[in-house]
Amino acid sequence: AQSVTQLGSHVSVSEGALVLLRCNYSSSVPPYLFWYVQYPNQGLQLLLKYTTGATLVKGINGFEAEFKKSETSFHLTKPSAHMSDAAEYFCAVSRTGNNRKLIWGLGTSLAVNP
Amino acid sequence: DAGVTQSPTHLIKTRGQHVTLRCSPISGHKSVSWYQQVLGQGPQFIFQYYEKEERGRGNFPDRFSARQFPNYSSELNVNALLLGDSALYLCASSQGQGAMNTEAFFGQGTRLTVV
Repeated sequence: AQSVTQLGSHVSVSEGALVLLRCNYSSSVPPYLFWYVQYPNQGLQLLLKYTTGATLVKGINGFEAEFKKSETSFHLTKPSAHMSDAAEYFCAVSRTGNNRKLIWGLGTSLAVNP
Repeated sequence: DAGVTQSPTHLIKTRGQHVTLRCSPISGHKSVSWYQQVLGQGPQFIFQYYEKEERGRGNFPDRFSARQFPNYSSELNVNALLLGDSALYLCASSQGQGAMNTEAFFGQGTRLTVV
């Protein structure tokens, strides 16, 4: 069975500081990994994804994540936080193959302080 | 191009009633998935449909059902509503089942409140 653990339900950073949101997964098969962002009262927007190939993945809005198989991690980072980054962030995993349901973490709420 | 559209955006129902939520995928996408997101939690998978066939089902009671139409739009039906069914219901579409078609595009969701 697959599962996702996001460490820290709330993260607060200062504007311009490094953003680090942690995600660990468990999967018995090679996973596809995703980070989504959700702004208040809105749907989910894909930030980036890892399927195969390069383990450092660059996404939108300056975010990136690195797939580390040995650590079963897929942490999300951004060098310099912006006020507009304040949102809920979700890490998700899906299986390769035909069953593409996404298994989600509980989310991390990011606050950016001026 | 239109993204994933869901209707209605908000809905209030009484316990015991029935509700139908609708989703139109992005043009050309053949796969639709439904998720339930309770306030403060991550989404939970309900159903996936591909080419009008159910391809996956989450751990939800039989009160929840869905279908996909020939134009790939989809409906989620919930019978005998309970207070605990209050949530944001998200629809996601993707191109298909192939290795490269991994990105799911989400609609804005339908906010269901059961009173």
